[in-house]
Amino acid sequence: DGGITQSPKYLFRKEGQNVTLSCEQNLNHDAMYWYRQDPGQGLRLIYYSQIVNDFQKGDIAEGYSVSREKKESFPLTVTSAQKNPTAFYLCASSLRQGSDTQYFGPGTRLTVL
Amino acid sequence: DAKTTQPNSMESNEEEPVHLPCNHSTISGTDYIHWYRQLPSQGPEYVIHGLTSNVNNRMASLAIAEDRKSSTLILHRATLRDAAVYYCILRALTGANNLFFGTGTRLTVIP
Repeated sequence: DGGITQSPKYLFRKEGQNVTLSCEQNLNHDAMYWYRQDPGQGLRLIYYSQIVNDFQKGDIAEGYSVSREKKESFPLTVTSAQKNPTAFYLCASSLRQGSDTQYFGPGTRLTVL
Repeated sequence: DAKTTQPNSMESNEEEPVHLPCNHSTISGTDYIHWYRQLPSQGPEYVIHGLTSNVNNRMASLAIAEDRKSSTLILHRATLRDAAVYYCILRALTGANNLFFGTGTRLTVIP
């Protein structure tokens, strides 16, 4: 079945460590996105990529980095520079950018101890 | 993208219709109106979208005001599985993809 997978579902890290969250899609979508969600809040855009080897900062990119070496994969690294990394991270993809429907993965809940 | 305004929460009885309102007074002519919903501890899922005309699909209906400054998501018969946070989002046809999710409307379905 086509879809978006994120792993792991739950992730615990010590403060000061970098951590990479995985996002894979087999929908043949060009565009991929990373969002952050804090309790009781909406989603905020971290980074997005419209095509392989290209990505742009979203609203809250500081302390995060991404890569897009393959169409199917868009990993997010939460660096030690991110001051408050504990959150629910959601990856999404769409056929193209703009008004296209976005399809979301199940999310990764990151807790920094 | 322009912003939207939704009530924080709503309640509905099971098997009753639900009308979820959304105001978007600063909508531009090329903005699409999208609705997503998010079940607890899951990623959002697409519900429906439209531009000017009312839209129907297997999940819901979308009624768009003639001036496009507001819209209403209609669930024809609420079930317990419809309990979720519903987000109304405006999406520009082109340009940067700053999909803005506000806090949405938390729908509670009462058995």
